[in-house]
Amino acid sequence: QKEVEQNSGPLSVPEGAIASLNCTYSDRVSQSFFWYRQYSGKSPELIMSIYSNGDKEDGRFTAQLNKASQYVSLLIRDSQPSDSATYLCAVTVTYTGGFKTIFGAGTRLFVKA
Amino acid sequence: DAGVTQSPTHLIKTRGQQVTLRCSPKSGHDTVSWYQQALGQGPQFIFQYYEEEERQRGNFPDRFSGHQFPNYSSELNVNALLLGDSALYLCASSTGTGRAFFGQGTRLTVV
Repeated sequence: QKEVEQNSGPLSVPEGAIASLNCTYSDRVSQSFFWYRQYSGKSPELIMSIYSNGDKEDGRFTAQLNKASQYVSLLIRDSQPSDSATYLCAVTVTYTGGFKTIFGAGTRLFVKA
Repeated sequence: DAGVTQSPTHLIKTRGQQVTLRCSPKSGHDTVSWYQQALGQGPQFIFQYYEEEERQRGNFPDRFSGHQFPNYSSELNVNALLLGDSALYLCASSTGTGRAFFGQGTRLTVV
């Protein structure tokens, strides 16, 4: 089982719709959770971080975390064509003396105008 | 405030050669992590440096090595390059919470 799993997509939604991206992780001691957006040929850009169970909203983005189910999601409301990108889920595990951040393979999102 | 900077942006090397990639972290960040991203894949963790020491390492062979300098900048060295080493190499800096910021990456092509 991969440490961080995402549906590779592509996920296609019409402009103005809600895009729902999902991620599961295997390490129960995972402590920090992130969503990155990556445009083709560019480096990942951090868009959301969440550390405790529940929802966290930032503008059109909402991250949801359920540690019991080892599940993280990202909702994008009022999707725009500029949201078309690959979304990477990342999970950080802290060890004695350090931490490691593991990424999923990413979900490709297409927003149709 | 400069973000994370990497050099060079693009590089072409021949099989068997050695390469050094460089990274300057975001101001105030003391931890540097390196990732390899193949086309269509997520970033794969190579290793992490903190206080000039390798603190965590992913599943990469010893051909991959690194260094961190007192000013927190870092280098990634890859020896005996293989065709499969062709990828985007990403440097990410952070302060310990895992909230990492990436540089623009170095596109390495091995021919």
